[in-house]
Amino acid sequence: KAGVTQTPRYLIKTRGQQVTLSCSPISGHRSVSWYQQTPGQGLQFLFEYFSETQRNKGNFPGRFSGRQFSNSRSEMNVSTLELGDSALYLCASSPYTGELFFGEGSRLTVL
Amino acid sequence: SQQGEEDPQALSIQEGENATMNCSYKTSINNLQWYRQNSGRGLVHLILIRSNEREKHSGRLRVTLDTSKKSSSLLITASRAADTASYFCAFDRGSTLGRLYFGRGTQLTVWP
Repeated sequence: KAGVTQTPRYLIKTRGQQVTLSCSPISGHRSVSWYQQTPGQGLQFLFEYFSETQRNKGNFPGRFSGRQFSNSRSEMNVSTLELGDSALYLCASSPYTGELFFGEGSRLTVL
Repeated sequence: SQQGEEDPQALSIQEGENATMNCSYKTSINNLQWYRQNSGRGLVHLILIRSNEREKHSGRLRVTLDTSKKSSSLLITASRAADTASYFCAFDRGSTLGRLYFGRGTQLTVWP
């Protein structure tokens, strides 16, 4: 079974730009969640989707948004990028037995 | 903070020694999990222990959970250099669907 796939793996943007990150979950997993990881704040929960519905959202500004498609693939978007948005963005899928299966992450650098 | 806290922040040992990491939390939980992360990579799930369980084993891993003390420990026996990684505890509060609360992690270094 293929694992969670995140694209792109690395990207560099400048302040003010926007970015879209993509996540393909493990086949059969209907829950997809996103986390931001930085050295200063650690792993912070962004949001979680289940069957195209956002069930939970972390404490991030409205510039951070996401969505899930009918095939369970998910995207997250960050608009008006700030330097502090530089981070490793991790996507995870879950069969809802509790465990999360993470992708390798998308490393975003904002200049 | 609603997140877990690991202790120690960093641990350095020789191959063959045991490594123990601790995690504390402040709320009631549904289950507690441990994850491993190699530098700059994604997290890998290691083990899940439910709130009504006290101990669980998986290979060289042993996890304990004490809900009265709101703490958990991860023991890695006979450590190998390949165990070098960051280890995170994460818990599910049950009331917040699809969300795990992660600790800041313990950086384990195992020297050959």
